[in-house]
Amino acid sequence: GQNIDQPTEMTATEGAIVQINCTYQTSGFNGLFWYQQHAGEAPTFLSYNVLDGLEEKGRFSSFLSRSKGYSYLLLKELQMKDSASYLCAVRDPGAGSYQLTFGKGTKLSVIP
Amino acid sequence: EPEVTQTPSHQVTQMGQEVILRCVPISNHLYFYWYRQILGQKVEFLVSFYNNEISEKSEIFDDQFSVERPDGSNFTLKIRSTKLEDSAMYFCASSKTADSYEQYFGPGTRLTVT
Repeated sequence: GQNIDQPTEMTATEGAIVQINCTYQTSGFNGLFWYQQHAGEAPTFLSYNVLDGLEEKGRFSSFLSRSKGYSYLLLKELQMKDSASYLCAVRDPGAGSYQLTFGKGTKLSVIP
Repeated sequence: EPEVTQTPSHQVTQMGQEVILRCVPISNHLYFYWYRQILGQKVEFLVSFYNNEISEKSEIFDDQFSVERPDGSNFTLKIRSTKLEDSAMYFCASSKTADSYEQYFGPGTRLTVT
């Protein structure tokens, strides 16, 4: 089976840094994705990791450790507009080559 | 910037009725997907489609569901006899290739079955 775990909710202060963790157990692995989803809207792609290490993209960074089945999304210089759900998703060839399997998402609230 | 579009944005239907949700993927993309998200729950994969046939489908995608690419631009999801539990947001997505690292999601159709 597949299992993707991430915290349900987090709160952080505007201007601060927040780290959202994701752990996964899948039969195979072909990439981990982070998506941002504002309430009532579509998920939008943030980052992709397939090799171990850190990928940086502006205020957003994502880290992957395949041996630990672990990833995190790091958001720096938080802005109010960053309040959203952050979805961790894994592509598992064992489940199917094309599909993404999503976690339940972490709802981030940014407060002044 | 090209985007995936979906119509309608909101569909209300009675239990047992057929619904067709429509999507226009990004024009040079070859792989198309449907996902659904029941309110407050996670995004779930339904089906992927390539070269005019289903590539993969999940357990959710039973005989009540079907997909079609009726012309060169539209990609549809049909639910033959809707059930209350089909109420959800349905997202269409597309990607250039199967292993593209980015699937582009449309804005979704909120389906409400009464």
